[in-house]
Amino acid sequence: DGGITQSPKYLFRKEGQNVTLSCEQNLNHDAMYWYRQDPGQGLRLIYYSQIVNDFQKGDIAEGYSVSREKKESFPLTVTSAQKNPTAFYLCATQGWGRVEIRTGELFFGEGSRLTVL
Amino acid sequence: KNQVEQSPQSLIILEGKNCTLQCNYTVSPFSNLRWYKQDTGRGPVSLTIMTFSENTKSNGRYTATLDADTKQSSLHITASQLSDSASYICVVRYDRGSTLGRLYFGRGTQLTVWP
Repeated sequence: DGGITQSPKYLFRKEGQNVTLSCEQNLNHDAMYWYRQDPGQGLRLIYYSQIVNDFQKGDIAEGYSVSREKKESFPLTVTSAQKNPTAFYLCATQGWGRVEIRTGELFFGEGSRLTVL
Repeated sequence: KNQVEQSPQSLIILEGKNCTLQCNYTVSPFSNLRWYKQDTGRGPVSLTIMTFSENTKSNGRYTATLDADTKQSSLHITASQLSDSASYICVVRYDRGSTLGRLYFGRGTQLTVWP
């Protein structure tokens, strides 16, 4: 079953706790992204990785951390430093073939909804 | 400032009716524009992509248009179905030549189709 798997689908966290959201893909895509989605707002980029063992901050990286130890996996940790972590988190991937570079289509996972109690 | 604005913010139509969603952008230089459909609680899925040289592209009951001169795109949905109820997101890619430019996301139009 090809695609992107995000887990957990729903997560509740107490204030002061770190949580890690999982993103696994078997599309053999090099680039992976984490976005945050809030009601009435466009998707905002948290972190992205274009290759294993390398990642870059996006527009709203403060309070988040990532790792990219394997091509298939790009977990996101929401730390206690994130002031307002309640949101819907989306993981996406993109291929780096010639056509994929030209079209730039993102493939999204099903999302993880994090709620801070 | 590169921006993507979508209108209306929300829309309610009756099943079987047509509707048109708008996307205006200021991203320049422009590489391509893509419409995504996002069902509630799910990830977005690409509907169609428009490049600079394309004016119209259809995908079933979805037809996207692009006017690169005025920097406007529209998504027309024909004979709407209940399953069309979703958020429709306009995404514009900045042109960086041979490498991928950043993406600019609109806030989406929330479409509700009533029976």
